[in-house]
Order: sequence, then structure tokens, then C-alpha cells
Amino acid sequence: DGGITQSPKYLFRKEGQNVTLSCEQNLNHDAMYWYRQDPGQGLRLIYYSQIVNDFQKGDIAEGYSVSREKKESFPLTVTSAQKNPTAFYLCASSSRWEGNEQFFGPGTRLTVL
Amino acid sequence: GENVEQHPSTLSVQEGDSAVIKCTYSDSASNYFPWYKQELGKGPQLIIDIRSNVGEKKDQRIAVTLNKTAKHFSLHITETQPEDSAVYFCAASWKSGNTGKLIFGQGTTLQVKP
Repeated sequence: DGGITQSPKYLFRKEGQNVTLSCEQNLNHDAMYWYRQDPGQGLRLIYYSQIVNDFQKGDIAEGYSVSREKKESFPLTVTSAQKNPTAFYLCASSSRWEGNEQFFGPGTRLTVL
Repeated sequence: GENVEQHPSTLSVQEGDSAVIKCTYSDSASNYFPWYKQELGKGPQLIIDIRSNVGEKKDQRIAVTLNKTAKHFSLHITETQPEDSAVYFCAASWKSGNTGKLIFGQGTTLQVKP
């Protein structure tokens, strides 16, 4: 079964803690993306990676960090510097970054207690 | 900067009626325009897409039209069914040098009343 998986589905964090969200794909896609979704809003791009060992900041990268050590994995760390981290986080991948369908994972809902 | 505006934000129709969602984009170089459907608590799924060399594309009850001159594109759903109820997002591609991404609209919540 090919696809993109995210874990965990729900995540609770105390203020001041860093937390890492997992994203894995077995579609052999080069490009991967992280989006943040708040209620009633569209998808805002946090970080994206077009190739292994390379990534670029999106529109709202402050307080987040990523790594791309393997083609199939693109973990996102929400740091304590992110002032309002409670949101729904979506990971996506595409075969190439230009003009191709992005496949989305099921999402991780992060709540800061 | 790059921007995609989507209207309306909410849309309520009677089962069997048609629904139309419209988007405008700012970057004249955009050449790829996908539409996604997102059900509650799930990730978005692509339902149809169109490229800039095509004016219209249809897939069963769903169609998308593109007007490059006016920089707008629309999603048309005919014979709506309750299972069409969801949030719909449009997007447009953006490219700068060797990097690029999709810019998403704000979403439209479609409610189909049985």
C-alpha cells in the first residue's frame, strides 16, 4: 500500500516543550511539504524540501525546524519559540515540486496544554 | 506577493442542485491549478486539476474551468449529493527560479442539504 503517513494522530504538549511530528512516504517522491491549518483558514506552508538534504522556509517558518536526511522522511519539530502551536498539521509529498499533484497525509492535531 | 482568493467561504445547496466555487490568482506565470476536498479531521484529497494549456476539464459530476486572461478558475459540482459536503480548497502553482510551491485559497465549506 503506497501512501503518506503521519504520526501521532493527536499530540498534547506542555508549554515550553519541543515536539516532533513524523511524516513518512513510500511513494518515492522527491518533494515533501509541511502545512499548518487553523480553524476556518486555508493551508499555510511551513517548510518544504525538493530533494534530500535540502529544504526551504515557507510562509510561516518561525518557531519550526525540519530535516530531510532520507527521501522518505520529513519530520517537523515545533519548538518552544512557536507562540501559538495549537493547530492541525498536514504533511504532503509530490513526485516533483513543479506542477504536480501533492498527496496529503491524514494530519496530526497538536494541542498545547 | 503571490495570492489566491476563494469565494464563497460557505455555500449551502439543496441536494441535486449545482454548486460553484470561484478562485482568482495573482501570478500570471501560474500554470497548475488543483482542487482539493477535505472531510472533517482528514487530509485534503485531490478531486480535479487543470493546467494552463486547457480551458476546461470534466470528471463525471465535477468540472473545472480556467480563464487565464482574467486569472480566475472555478469548480462546478452538478447533481450534488450529501456526501459532497466538505471543505474545498483551490490552489495555484508559484515558481521562482528553481523553487516553487502551491498557494492555497482560504477554503469553501459546502453543505448539501438532503
